[in-house]
Amino acid sequence: NAGVTQTPKFQVLKTGQSMTLQCAQDMNHNSMYWYRQDPGMGLRLIYYSASEGTTDKGEVPNGYNVSRLNKREFSLRLESAAPSQTSVYFCASSQGPVETQYFGPGTRLLVL
Amino acid sequence: EDQVTQSPEALRLQEGESSSLNCSYTVSGLRGLFWYRQDPGKGPEFLFTLYSAGEEKEKERLKATLTKKESFLHITAPKPEDSATYLCAVQDGGSQGNLIFGKGTKLSVKP
Repeated sequence: NAGVTQTPKFQVLKTGQSMTLQCAQDMNHNSMYWYRQDPGMGLRLIYYSASEGTTDKGEVPNGYNVSRLNKREFSLRLESAAPSQTSVYFCASSQGPVETQYFGPGTRLLVL
Repeated sequence: EDQVTQSPEALRLQEGESSSLNCSYTVSGLRGLFWYRQDPGKGPEFLFTLYSAGEEKEKERLKATLTKKESFLHITAPKPEDSATYLCAVQDGGSQGNLIFGKGTKLSVKP
């Protein structure tokens, strides 16, 4: 089992460009999450999907959109990237909303 | 508002020198407290989940304990390979699963 996979691993964007971060899990988990991690700050939740077909905002949703494509895949889209979105993005999944979350390897995004 | 504070921010130990990391939390109805290990350039790796005060869990040189206000991660006779950032997170009773993370403790173990 690969667990949680994320693509790309690293991306450089110019301000105003758009991109989609991909996440997939092979653990048959129901819940999926997107976090960002910035220096000196804890991981912060952007969006989550408690189950297939549902998505909800987390602590820092502005500038992002998500799609729960199916049970396995949860994508994060930046419509118009800004330098403030330079960060490391982690996807996670869990069996249910109150179960242990397992994280992917991360996507490092630099917005110039 | 839920809060998680980890201390110290950084900890340097000699190999074999035991110590503890602290995670203090304020949450309305704790559903669970989670410990993760994060190596540079990688995603957080799950270590433990604690659900109620008095609970303890062990894995190799690590032992996690929980009280009503804080959790400790005890490291016994650490080795250089234990060097990493250790993250604490809590889940409150009203959440849909989202975790509130502390900023982490960066542990360095010198041979």
